[in-house]
Amino acid sequence: DAKTTQPNSMESNEEEPVHLPCNHSTISGTDYIHWYRQLPSQGPEYVIHGLTSNVNNRMASLAIAEDRKSSTLILHRATLRDAAVYYCILRDWSGANNLFFGTGTRLTVIP
Amino acid sequence: GAGVSQTPSNKVTEKGKYVELRCDPISGHTALYWYRQSLGQGPEFLIYFQGTGAADDSGLPNDRFFAVRPEGSVSTLKIQRTERGDSAVYLCASSFGTSGGWDEQFFGPGTRLTVL
Repeated sequence: DAKTTQPNSMESNEEEPVHLPCNHSTISGTDYIHWYRQLPSQGPEYVIHGLTSNVNNRMASLAIAEDRKSSTLILHRATLRDAAVYYCILRDWSGANNLFFGTGTRLTVIP
Repeated sequence: GAGVSQTPSNKVTEKGKYVELRCDPISGHTALYWYRQSLGQGPEFLIYFQGTGAADDSGLPNDRFFAVRPEGSVSTLKIQRTERGDSAVYLCASSFGTSGGWDEQFFGPGTRLTVL
């Protein structure tokens, strides 16, 4: 699977929107963009995924660039519970089922 | 419903000993995954089961590591002759196993293994 690049860390004030960027310049046409997050002392949990169009769910929104070489996970109002490591992962629809996590972005939410 | 469970939550062992880590996936999930997470790193893939068979074991670091899933449900990760470098959190995940790149994986809380 193609690699992704994320900032090591970000900070946000509570109740402010957060935009977490991810670069994936070598993405292929069959790669889905997935986001997982890992809260302290827990296993990762699925957040959202998309292919070409922007996606919304109850947790977050995913904005995908027109050329698909980057994407942004948007938390509309950060809460203290959103403090976690966020992983941007590419998954080929025809390839391996395992996830390649990388090191992710550690989000700190300031009260 | 019940999520993925892993036992034990913590395991301390001595170098050279044998350990078994257990994973109970979500009922109905045919796919099961093992990952290993070292401090400050993201999880690293070890092995993937589809049903009873290991569909991909390319992440197992060496032949001291072995995993089974004899009835297509519970899985056991076995580590022989443990080394201090095996110390990590071992995560298990399960999913419906659908192909297509969108299959959501559900993770357990992990087993923290410490090798003294």
